[in-house]
Amino acid sequence: NAGVTQTPKFQVLKTGQSMTLQCAQDMNHEYMSWYRQDPGMGLRLIHYSVGAGITDQGEVPNGYNVSRSTTEDFPLRLLSAAPSQTSVYFCASSYPGGEKLFFGSGTQLSVL
Amino acid sequence: SQQGEEDPQALSIQEGENATMNCSYKTSINNLQWYRQNSGRGLVHLILIRSNEREKHSGRLRVTLDTSKKSSSLLITASRAADTASYFCATDERFGAGTRLTVKP
Repeated sequence: NAGVTQTPKFQVLKTGQSMTLQCAQDMNHEYMSWYRQDPGMGLRLIHYSVGAGITDQGEVPNGYNVSRSTTEDFPLRLLSAAPSQTSVYFCASSYPGGEKLFFGSGTQLSVL
Repeated sequence: SQQGEEDPQALSIQEGENATMNCSYKTSINNLQWYRQNSGRGLVHLILIRSNEREKHSGRLRVTLDTSKKSSSLLITASRAADTASYFCATDERFGAGTRLTVKP
């Protein structure tokens, strides 16, 4: 099983550029979420979704948009990249109830 | 804001020794989970303990939970070099900053 797949693995952007980080899961999980991981700060929740058509904000949503048109996909959009968005981004999914999260392998993003 | 905070931030031990990591949290919880992250990889779920449980085992892992102190501990017995990783506690999808464990062969 593929599990949670994130693309790309690495990305370099210039300030002001936009891009979409892709996340797909093949486990039919209703719950999906995006985190960013910065050194010494653990993971912080950006946005999450409890099912197709439903999204909500996490701790640090500013500068990011999400949509959930299908159960499988949960893309994260950076509208106008800023150096403060340099981070490693992780997508995760789980069964309803969200007890055990399954993580993708991450996208390392650098904004210059 | 982070819900859990791990202690210590870093831990270095010899192979065969036990490793203990602690987690404190702020609000009431339904469950607490521990995850492991190898360098450059995503997190992997290790164990979940519910608020009405005090101790749980899984292989060489032992987790305890003290809801009165809002704290949990993760014990890895007979550590191996392959246990070298960062370990995170999480409650309600909120993670601490992690403990970086190094096991020297």
